[in-house]
Amino acid sequence: SQELEQSPQSLIVQEGKNLTINCTSSKTLYGLYWYKQKYGEGLIFLMMLQKGGEEKSHEKITAKLDEKKQQSSLHITASQPSHAGIYLCGADASESSGDKLTFGTGTRLAVRP
Amino acid sequence: DAGITQSPRHKVTETGTPVTLRCHQTENHRYMYWYRQDPGHGLRLIHYSYGVKDTDKGEVSDGYSVSRSKTEDFLLTLESATSSQTSVYFCAISDSGETGELFFGEGSRLTVL
Repeated sequence: SQELEQSPQSLIVQEGKNLTINCTSSKTLYGLYWYKQKYGEGLIFLMMLQKGGEEKSHEKITAKLDEKKQQSSLHITASQPSHAGIYLCGADASESSGDKLTFGTGTRLAVRP
Repeated sequence: DAGITQSPRHKVTETGTPVTLRCHQTENHRYMYWYRQDPGHGLRLIHYSYGVKDTDKGEVSDGYSVSRSKTEDFLLTLESATSSQTSVYFCAISDSGETGELFFGEGSRLTVL
C-alpha cells in the first residue's frame, strides 16, 4: 500500500517567516492533494497536483509536485496566525482510485504573533 | 461551506455496546466516505459509498459496517465497540469519484471505555 511521509511533524514559526512542508510517497503519485485542518475541525481542500513539475498557488501558499511525482512541497510565504493548523497531504491510492485517498500523518503548524 | 452534518459530535460509550454515527449531506453528492483519524496514523478510510445501497470497504473496515438507504445519509455502525475504536471519525463527500477534492464534516469524537 502507498505510504505518505510528511516532514516536519510539527513546526513553530514567527509571524512573517516563510516555511516549507514536505510530503514524500513510497510510490508514484497519480494525484497529490493538500488539505488544511484547523484544530478540532474537519479538513479543507487547498490544492490538487497531478502532473510532474506542476506548481499551484493560492494566496500565500504554493505547492509543487516534483518531476518524478514522488514528492510534493507546500510553501507558505510570510506566515500569518491564520495559517496555523494541521496540513495533510493525500494521494490517490492507485491510478484508478481517484477519490480514495491515502493521507500522511500531518504537519502541525503554529505561528507566533 | 458544503452542507455536511455529523452526529453525534461527541460520544462516550462502553466496550461491547453498539454505536451508530450519522453523516447527513444537503449537497446531493453521490460519493460519501467515512475516515478515522488517530495520532501517528493520519486519516484512514473505513468505508465508502458510490450511491444508494452501493458501499465498499476501505483500508480499516474490520469491526465497522455502513448503510446508505438515501443519497443524503451515510451511517457508520460499530456493532460492538472496542477501545481500539476510540477515535475521531470524519465523514466526507464528493461530487466526483475521479478526484480527491473531498468536503469534510467537522468530525465525531468517540471514546470507548
